[in-house]
Amino acid sequence: EVQLLESGGDLVQPGGSLRLSCSASGFTFISYAMTWVRQAPGKGLEWVSTISGSGSSTYYADSVKGRFTISRDNSKNTLYLQLNSLRSEDTAVYYCAPYDRSMSYWGQGTLVTVSS
Amino acid sequence: DIVMTQTPLSSPVTLGQPASISCRSSQSLVQSDGNTYLSWLQQRPGQPPRLLIYKISNRFSGVPDRFSGSGAGTDFTLKISRVEAEDVGVYYCMQAKQFPLTFGGGTKVEIK
Repeated sequence: EVQLLESGGDLVQPGGSLRLSCSASGFTFISYAMTWVRQAPGKGLEWVSTISGSGSSTYYADSVKGRFTISRDNSKNTLYLQLNSLRSEDTAVYYCAPYDRSMSYWGQGTLVTVSS
Repeated sequence: DIVMTQTPLSSPVTLGQPASISCRSSQSLVQSDGNTYLSWLQQRPGQPPRLLIYKISNRFSGVPDRFSGSGAGTDFTLKISRVEAEDVGVYYCMQAKQFPLTFGGGTKVEIK
């Protein structure tokens, strides 16, 4: 059974930093690209970032480029998202998902709130 | 960027009746490999999204056969043949032809 467990969400002040984690199990982690998608309160889905299985290729939404960094540790089956220079508009639930041109499985998400 | 436009915004449906959601992309989603990477996702209230359909018309594992997807090029449709109470939620289309991946704005399916 595929399981994805996001963690690391918290209340942080504007300009602050946070690191999100996504622990994966039930599939061959290194074989899949991984993606972060976020959802602001009451809003739709927004793609944030994707990383290849090896970690050699990364892709970012313009809204987070230069502020967020995606990475993975294949020895730990864990995906990360480093969030820097946080803004109020980054407030959202952040989901991780394996990516194979669709997003077959989703975690429950972790809430990031940016507020003073 | 590929813009995904969904209609309607909201769809009140009587239990047991069909529902249909349209999704239009700003450019063709046909990939050079011949595949069209258009997916449909369901998000029930308070839940994470769930994959229903991938590559236009392929139902994901465990998805009831009352859900079907169709379309080609830039125009796609998700149909629910007979709406059940558990189908209430927001439905999103998503393109994975190219980065940035983009989603439609969502269609809320509710019971009349």
